[in-house]
Amino acid sequence: EAGVAQSPRYKIIEKRQSVAFWCNPISGHATLYWYQQILGQGPKLLIQFQNNGVVDDSQLPKDRFSAERLKGVDSTLKIQPAKLEDSAVYLCASSLVGRGRSYEQYFGPGTRLTVT
Amino acid sequence: DAKTTQPPSMDCAEGRAANLPCNHSTISGNEYVYWYRQIHSQGPQYIIHGLKNNETNEMASLIITEDRKSSTLILPHATLRDTAVYYCIVARDNNAGNMLTFGGGTRLMVKP
Repeated sequence: EAGVAQSPRYKIIEKRQSVAFWCNPISGHATLYWYQQILGQGPKLLIQFQNNGVVDDSQLPKDRFSAERLKGVDSTLKIQPAKLEDSAVYLCASSLVGRGRSYEQYFGPGTRLTVT
Repeated sequence: DAKTTQPPSMDCAEGRAANLPCNHSTISGNEYVYWYRQIHSQGPQYIIHGLKNNETNEMASLIITEDRKSSTLILPHATLRDTAVYYCIVARDNNAGNMLTFGGGTRLMVKP
């Protein structure tokens, strides 16, 4: 079974530029998550999708970050314009969905963003 | 979601059991205890989870106290490849999955 795919793996941009990250979840996983992990910290959840709908985006800095999952499969996370403090690893994860049960999340390898 | 408290670091000898503690004194009745680990430069990896009962799988065992205020992750025979940051997380389902809040975790160093 293929895992969660992310691209690019590394990206270096200057501040005020725009950047986009792509994620392809495990086949059949309806729920998709984006996390931000700053060096030395645990991952921080940014947004959760179920199919093509947003479940929770309360921690997404909406003035500069946006995310979409138009067809309920692949997802894109965009930052525009980037700031120095956005330097981090951006992780995508996916899981099955169900009522009254818990499901483990499967993480991709992440995209390491450096803003200079 | 309830917060967790973990020691920042631990050492373990290769081949010995690694026992990683976690306190979650404010856990609610519908919150699960999850353990993930993150090996350097990789995404987090699910290990195990539980609600009330102790759980065991091919990777580890999870022991949850009767009052559910603390738990212990046990790696029965630690290897060098188990060196990683281990995260204990409590979270409830939102019918679309679960929203994990990662803390600082415990950095486990397995030594030869």
